[in-house]
Amino acid sequence: EDKVVQSPLSLVVHEGDTVTLNCSYEVTNFRSLLWYKQEKKAPTFLFMLTSSGIEKKSGRLSSILDKKELFSILNITATQTGDSAIYLCAVEALSAGNNRKLIWGLGTSLAVNP
Amino acid sequence: DAGITQSPRYKITETGRQVTLMCHQTWSHSYMFWYRQDLGHGLRLIYYSAAADITDKGEVPDGYVVSRSKTENFPLTLESATRSQTSVYFCASSSGLNYGYTFGSGTRLTVV
Repeated sequence: EDKVVQSPLSLVVHEGDTVTLNCSYEVTNFRSLLWYKQEKKAPTFLFMLTSSGIEKKSGRLSSILDKKELFSILNITATQTGDSAIYLCAVEALSAGNNRKLIWGLGTSLAVNP
Repeated sequence: DAGITQSPRYKITETGRQVTLMCHQTWSHSYMFWYRQDLGHGLRLIYYSAAADITDKGEVPDGYVVSRSKTENFPLTLESATRSQTSVYFCASSSGLNYGYTFGSGTRLTVV
C-alpha cells in the first residue's frame, strides 16, 4: 500500500531557528513530490520535486528529494512567526490510464514562537 | 475573480438531506479534484476529473456524486448526508502533469 510519512508530527521553535521537516514515502509509479503550507485555510503550493539532488529554493524555504532513499526534506531558515502552519507532503503517482493520484502525509505542525 | 472558488464557505445540514458543494475555476485547468480533510486522516480524495465528462472515484467516494459537464465547474453532491460526512471539503485544480494543485478555500460542512 502506498504511504507517505512525515516527521516530526509537531515542532515548536523560536524565531530565528532553522528547521528541517522530513517526508519519506513508499509509492508505486512515483511521479513527483509536492510540499504545501496550510494555515487556517486551504493548502498553498510550495514546491514540486521530480529529480533527485536538485534543490528548489524560495526565499528562506528550500527542499530536496532523494529518490534512492525515498525521502524529501523541507528546510526553513531564520524562521518567523508567519511560518507557523501545517506543512504537508504529498507524492503523486500515475495509476492506470495516466490517472493522477496524490498520496498525502498527515503533516508537520510547526509553531514559531517570538 | 480569477482562481478557484468554492461555495458555500460554511454549511449546516440535517441528516438525510441532499447537499451540493460548488467548485468553479477560471483557468480552464483540465484536472479537478475533491478532497475531504479530517483530523487524523489528512486529505483524502473523494473524486477527481481529468477533463469535462470524465470523472473517477478516489479513496472515499461512497455517498458522494460528482459531475463535470463544463471544464470550469465540478460540483460535489452528498446524496443523503450523514454525520460521518461532517468535514472540511476542498476542491483543487491542476493544469497538467507537470504542475502542482491549487486549492479552493474550502467548505466546512456540518451534518446534524
